[in-house]
Amino acid sequence: DTAVSQTPKYLVTQMGNDKSIKCEQNLGHDTMYWYKQDSKKFLKIMFSYNNKELIINETVPNRFSPKSPDKAHLNLHINSLELGDSAVYFCASGEAGELFFGEGSRLTVL
Amino acid sequence: SQKIEQNSEALNIQEGKTATLTCNYTNYSPAYLQWYRQDPGRGPVFLLLIRENEKEKRKERLKVTFDTTLKQSLFHITASQPADSATYLCALDISGSARQLTFGSGTQLTVLP
Repeated sequence: DTAVSQTPKYLVTQMGNDKSIKCEQNLGHDTMYWYKQDSKKFLKIMFSYNNKELIINETVPNRFSPKSPDKAHLNLHINSLELGDSAVYFCASGEAGELFFGEGSRLTVL
Repeated sequence: SQKIEQNSEALNIQEGKTATLTCNYTNYSPAYLQWYRQDPGRGPVFLLLIRENEKEKRKERLKVTFDTTLKQSLFHITASQPADSATYLCALDISGSARQLTFGSGTQLTVLP
């Protein structure tokens, strides 16, 4: 069983479109995260949710909206996509330090 | 400003040797520090966590040290193997709860056969 699964693995879309990435974890963790990894491999936190409540929102454009329907799911919706949004987006969950990451969703905006 | 630096973007070593990777940080007072491994096209995988009151931690061929005075962690892989080739990321937690885990940019290690 995959601990943290995210879909889709690849997304190719045009500028201005809206897209969503879904994430689910079966580890029973209360806290889930979205990270963005750019072309230089720098992994940066975007959002953190604890038990469906937003606890960290780093400097991210409000075109990015996370949604957590329950503590096992944290989805990422992106409106009006821009070229600079092209990156790999990782979902993660964790308790007491160790993070478990999904396999990533590579978003390419043309 | 707060900063995490990993000593080099890429490191090549010969199989069987010890690989040593460095993570330096400034303006943080982390409760603990972690190391992750990332393979191409995959998500990071947790390797080791070391707390601020621990000097050293070991797991099989891996050893991590943490010097809060120097603000530095060293990550060692002994008897390295080609399968150890990957990008290694250090990560700092300044909140004590993993809620603000900040990553370095990684060191790409290649172990040559």
